[in-house]
Parts: sequence; C-alpha cells; structure tokens
Amino acid sequence: DADVTQTPRNRITKTGKRIMLECSQTKGHDRMYWYRQDPGLGLQLIYYSFDVKDINKGEISDGYSVSRQAQAKFSLSLESAIPNQTALYFCATSDLTVNYGYTFGSGTRLTVV
Amino acid sequence: GQQLNQSPQSMFIQEGEDVSMNCTSSSIFNTWLWYKQDPGEGPVLLIALYKAGELTSNGRLTAQFGITRKDSFLNISASIPSDVGIYFCAGSMNYGGSQGNLIFGKGTKLSVKP
Repeated sequence: DADVTQTPRNRITKTGKRIMLECSQTKGHDRMYWYRQDPGLGLQLIYYSFDVKDINKGEISDGYSVSRQAQAKFSLSLESAIPNQTALYFCATSDLTVNYGYTFGSGTRLTVV
Repeated sequence: GQQLNQSPQSMFIQEGEDVSMNCTSSSIFNTWLWYKQDPGEGPVLLIALYKAGELTSNGRLTAQFGITRKDSFLNISASIPSDVGIYFCAGSMNYGGSQGNLIFGKGTKLSVKP
C-alpha cells in the first residue's frame, strides 16, 4: 500500500455540488497538507495541519474547507464546486522536522463541469 | 512572502545531454530539496540538502546548496528519455525551533526534443 493514499483518483462533478477529497497516510506523520496544481503550473498550498487540533489556511483557501479526522486522515471539501476549481489536488505529509521533505499522494484529478 | 524563482521554466533535452536548472530565494533557507513529478503522479523527492555549500549526488543527479543559502542548483548528466517530467525545488527555514512549511518553486518542465 502507498504511504499516502488519496481517493478518488479521478472525479467529475457538476457546478454547485459539494465534494470531498480524502487522504490517509501510514507514515505516522503529524503534518498534513493539501495542494492544488493547475496544468503546467506549480503547487499552491490550500490548507495545512500540524496535528489533529491544528488547522491553518494556505495561499488559496477560499472556496475550500478541511477536516483532520485523525492523525492519519485529512480531507478537503469543496462546498460548492465551480469550474475554475478544476485541477489536480495533492495531499502531502511530513514529520515535524521536515528534514526529509514531504511525501505526496498520487493526486486526485478533479473536473468541475 | 517568501518566493522561489526557478529557472528555466521549461527546456528540451536530447538524449545524452547534460541539464542544469536552479532556484534562487529572497530569503535564506536551512533546507533545500529537489523533487521530480511524472505526468499524473505526485512529486517524489530526489535530493535533500542541509548545509551551505553541500554537494550531493543521486545517480546521474547532482545538487548543491549555495553558500549564501539563497540558491540551489540541480544537474542531470547524460539525460535519458525517462528524465522528462517537472522538477521542483523547495526550501524551508527553521523558526525558533519549529521548521517552517516548504516553499516550492514553480517547476522546470523537461521535454524531449522533437
């Protein structure tokens, strides 16, 4: 099994629908992150969490919310999806030192029509 | 906020060529990392650097942590077709004992010359 698992891998949804992307990890890491990547572009931080009781906004949190259900689980929700939220979404984890960087999941490709 | 300038934005490679890319920062970092992203997959860590001046290799890849702590470069020697993808630099800084989030460059896209 992958260290960081994202579900679903692909999703097509309609404008206005609520959608949840899920992430689980077996690394035992405290820190978890959600990133968005648009075609040909870099990674933009949406939200991050340093532990179960800690949630922080990133660069582009508007239109998104998160829930840290357990140390190993961090979900991202789009409350009312819009077409410009069509993108590749990545979950990542790290330990407190970040010395070994982040471990990324394989991504969720989301299309909003 | 902190920014990383990664260049070039894209480049074409011919098999056997050497490739260089670099990142510069407006702030100093105490950790530099290089990632590779294959199409449709998440970024994977290639090399991590922890000391100014450090030079580290991983097979055909070599990366250096600049002595000013504001830059890093990645070299790929004798490129092969599977080197295509997007390469990201990332840096982080320790703030009062707590390590900050990684700051990512916008990536260098390597493609095969037509």
